[in-house]
Amino acid sequence: GQQVMQIPQYQHVQEGEDFTTYCNSSTTLSNIQWYKQRPGGHPVFLIQLVKSGEVKKQKRLTFQFGEAKKNSSLHITATQTTDVGTYFCAGRGGSNYKLTFGKGTLLTVNP
Amino acid sequence: GEEVAQTPKHLVRGEGQKAKLYCAPIKGHSYVFWYQQVLKNEFKFLISFQNENVFDETGMPKERFSAKCLPNSPCSLEIQATKLEDSAVYFCASSHGLGQDYGYTFGSGTRLTVV
Repeated sequence: GQQVMQIPQYQHVQEGEDFTTYCNSSTTLSNIQWYKQRPGGHPVFLIQLVKSGEVKKQKRLTFQFGEAKKNSSLHITATQTTDVGTYFCAGRGGSNYKLTFGKGTLLTVNP
Repeated sequence: GEEVAQTPKHLVRGEGQKAKLYCAPIKGHSYVFWYQQVLKNEFKFLISFQNENVFDETGMPKERFSAKCLPNSPCSLEIQATKLEDSAVYFCASSHGLGQDYGYTFGSGTRLTVV
């Protein structure tokens, strides 16, 4: 079945440093979504990428979808303590509607 | 409303007891999904509904798990004869559709602890 790998599992940064999490799928994806889950909270939808090579920005967050639509990344510039949480990618493959989640990257930020 | 409402927030059951979780999707959302999140954050897909019809139940441990989405009632996920390994946070999510324009809106989850 479809597998979505996400690295790193954990990332600790100093406030102001950049952060990147990477997602790789075993199969070509029709689209990929990103979610943020604060400690003790629930996943919150951030964005969806659909097109090959697509890049989208939300303030300090930059999301990319690879040309082959098998990988994606989320980059945060100049992290803040409010960025703390686990970031999940979730891919949807071909005609399969089902979202397959990566295991997430836990970001902690030292003030 | 604009949020997915899950109840209860916490549930403690002795091993072998029944557990029942509820989810009210966002009004107008046709699809409901149940996920189980265990330690280490892994999300396991359980089941999805299109309105009151089961859409995909490939993730359900059918021997003890069942789910329903009946008209004019919250959706429910029931676990008969709970086991220790059922301890997890169970998230419900709803979506307007399945197409590429739709993200999931998650509820705040039910934390089930089996002792």
